[in-house]
Amino acid sequence: AQKVTQAQTEISVVEKEDVTLDCVYETRDTTYYLFWYKQPPSGELVFLIRRNSFDEQNEISGRYSWNFQKSTSSFNFTITASQVVDSAVYFCALSADRGSTLGRLYFGRGTQLTVWP
Amino acid sequence: ETGVTQSPTHLIKTRGQQVTLRCSSQSGHNTVSWYQQALGQGPQFIFQYYREEENGRGNFPPRFSGLQFPNYSSELNVNALELDDSALYLCASSSRQGVNEQFFGPGTRLTVL
Repeated sequence: AQKVTQAQTEISVVEKEDVTLDCVYETRDTTYYLFWYKQPPSGELVFLIRRNSFDEQNEISGRYSWNFQKSTSSFNFTITASQVVDSAVYFCALSADRGSTLGRLYFGRGTQLTVWP
Repeated sequence: ETGVTQSPTHLIKTRGQQVTLRCSSQSGHNTVSWYQQALGQGPQFIFQYYREEENGRGNFPPRFSGLQFPNYSSELNVNALELDDSALYLCASSSRQGVNEQFFGPGTRLTVL
């Protein structure tokens, strides 16, 4: 079974602080994909990143960075120098190649990030 | 903007009624997945359509059904609405080859009274 846990329900920071959102996943598959999505108040899910299970290289994109560690089954997301526009709900998700539905996403419950000016 | 559109944006229905939600996939995409997102929860997979056939289903009762048309657009139908069906319904489109790269529409917010 696939499972994603986002233990942090809500996080509040002040602008310019760094913040890390945690994601822990469970899967028995050796080939799988991990995702982060951002959901602003408008509701649309905005794709941020996809990593496959064979690529543990950390990634940086502007103020965003991701730390993938298979040893701890974690895929954490860090925002550096946070801004008010970063306020949103962030979801971590997992999909695996095994099973009847390719690409089926299993989402965590999300972390509400609020950045105060 | 992902190029995935959904209609309507908002919908209010009463218990027992039926509802149809629509999704137009991104150009070049032939696979559509539907998700239900209850308030304060992550999206839950309902089902996926590929080549006009259902290709996998989550833990949802048969009163949730769907269609995919030759142009790859899709409908989600829910019969005998219940209060717990109130949620944001999201569709995601992808190509078959890039099925692990899904693009979501803005969603339809359904309220059941």
